[in-house]
Amino acid sequence: AQSVAQPEDQVNVAEGNPLTVKCTYSVSGNPYLFWYVQYPNRGLQFLLKYITGDNLVKGSYGFEAEFNKSQTSFHLKKPSALVSDSALYFCAVRDRLSGGYNKLIFGAGTRLAVHP
Amino acid sequence: GAGVSQTPSNKVTEKGKYVELRCDPISGHTALYWYRQSLGQGPEFLIYFQGTGAADDSGLPNDRFFAVRPEGSVSTLKIQRTERGDSAVYLCASSEGVTGELFFGEGSRLTVL
Repeated sequence: AQSVAQPEDQVNVAEGNPLTVKCTYSVSGNPYLFWYVQYPNRGLQFLLKYITGDNLVKGSYGFEAEFNKSQTSFHLKKPSALVSDSALYFCAVRDRLSGGYNKLIFGAGTRLAVHP
Repeated sequence: GAGVSQTPSNKVTEKGKYVELRCDPISGHTALYWYRQSLGQGPEFLIYFQGTGAADDSGLPNDRFFAVRPEGSVSTLKIQRTERGDSAVYLCASSEGVTGELFFGEGSRLTVL
């Protein structure tokens, strides 16, 4: 079965420090991977995606993610956290049986808290 | 409008009642999706429209749930005989084309008492 795991319910980091939000996936074949962010009272917003090519993907707001096939991971990273990055982050994988449209399987989410 | 619009933002209803949730996608977006997000969980796929037709409704939990998109723009998710377990945030997303990036609305929070 296809699945996404976000092992941490919450990540706490001090402003200015690097941050990592972890994601592992279970999908046969080559995965299409995504990160979304959900701010309070706002809709989910797309951050970045990995389809193929360079394992380091750069996205919005200074975020990047590293695809690691051997570890089946797609961790979200940022070199220097901002208080405004505090939000709920979701990792997702496209269902391989979807035929190309965005039928996504989401993880349970990780709450990022950046402290001043 | 500039983004995906969902109404109502909040709906409280009683068990057994009928509910309609509306989604107005970004103009010109041909693909429309409904997802459901229960408390403490990630969104779960419900249904996908390409144009007017439901191309994939495999995520609808049972036959109490139905969605339409008669003119290929606005979509309505309909829930009959609501149950307490239907309480969740219902998210709508649209994209330009089949593989385009998803733009989500703020969701409709449904509470069934």
